[in-house]
Amino acid sequence: DSGVTQTPKHLITATGQRVTLRCSPRSGDLSVYWYQQSLDQGLQFLIQYYNGEERAKGNILERFSAQQFPDLHSELNLSSLELGDSALYFCASSVGGPSVAFFGQGTRLTVV
Amino acid sequence: TQLLEQSPQFLSIQEGENLTVYCNSSSVFSSLQWYRQEPGEGPVLLVTVVTGGEVKKLKRLTFQFGDARKDSSLHITAAQPGDTGLYLCAGQRGGGNKLTFGTGTQLKVEL
Repeated sequence: DSGVTQTPKHLITATGQRVTLRCSPRSGDLSVYWYQQSLDQGLQFLIQYYNGEERAKGNILERFSAQQFPDLHSELNLSSLELGDSALYFCASSVGGPSVAFFGQGTRLTVV
Repeated sequence: TQLLEQSPQFLSIQEGENLTVYCNSSSVFSSLQWYRQEPGEGPVLLVTVVTGGEVKKLKRLTFQFGDARKDSSLHITAAQPGDTGLYLCAGQRGGGNKLTFGTGTQLKVEL
C-alpha cells in the first residue's frame, strides 16, 4: 500500500460526459501529480499541484482540468469525453520532487 | 516524440535465466528511476540513480546509469516468476517537476 488513495477504481461512462477522479495523497505530501496511461501512449504526465497551486503542466488536454484543495486532496476533471480518453489515470504524491513520488492504484476509465 | 526508448518491448524467459533491459535517450537526465508495475496496480519505485556511471544493486537487480546520463540498464540475475511485470524507466530533466516515462518492457518469467 503506497498510501495514495484514488477513487473510483473503475468508471464507465458515455461519450460527451464529464467525470471527476479523486486522489488523496500520502500524509504529509504536498505535491500531487496526475498521469495518464494508455496502450498507445504509455505513461504520460498531465499536471502537478503543490500545496494548492499548479506547478507544472504536461500533455493535458484543454477538456481536462485539475485542482488541489486545502486539505491537499486533488481532483482531475475530464469533460466532453471521447473514446480515446479511455485509459488508466494515476495520481502520485511526494514530499519533494517527482523522482520520489508514490503512485496510487489508478482509476480505469472506459468511455463507451 | 518518446524521449525514452526501452528495449526489448517484450521478454519471456524461464526461471533462473538472466536478462537485461535497456533505456535509451538522446537527452540528458538529472536523475533516472526504474519502476515495476503489476496488473491493476500503480508503478512502484525500485531505484533512483543520479550520477553518471552510477551502479546500484537491489538483491538480484543491478541498475546502471550511463556515463553521459542519457541511458540506463536494468540487469536481473536468476529471474524468478515474482519478477514478472512491466518495467518502466523514467527520467527527470534538469530541475523540472515532471517525469518522462519510457515505453516499457513487459517481462514474463515462467517456471
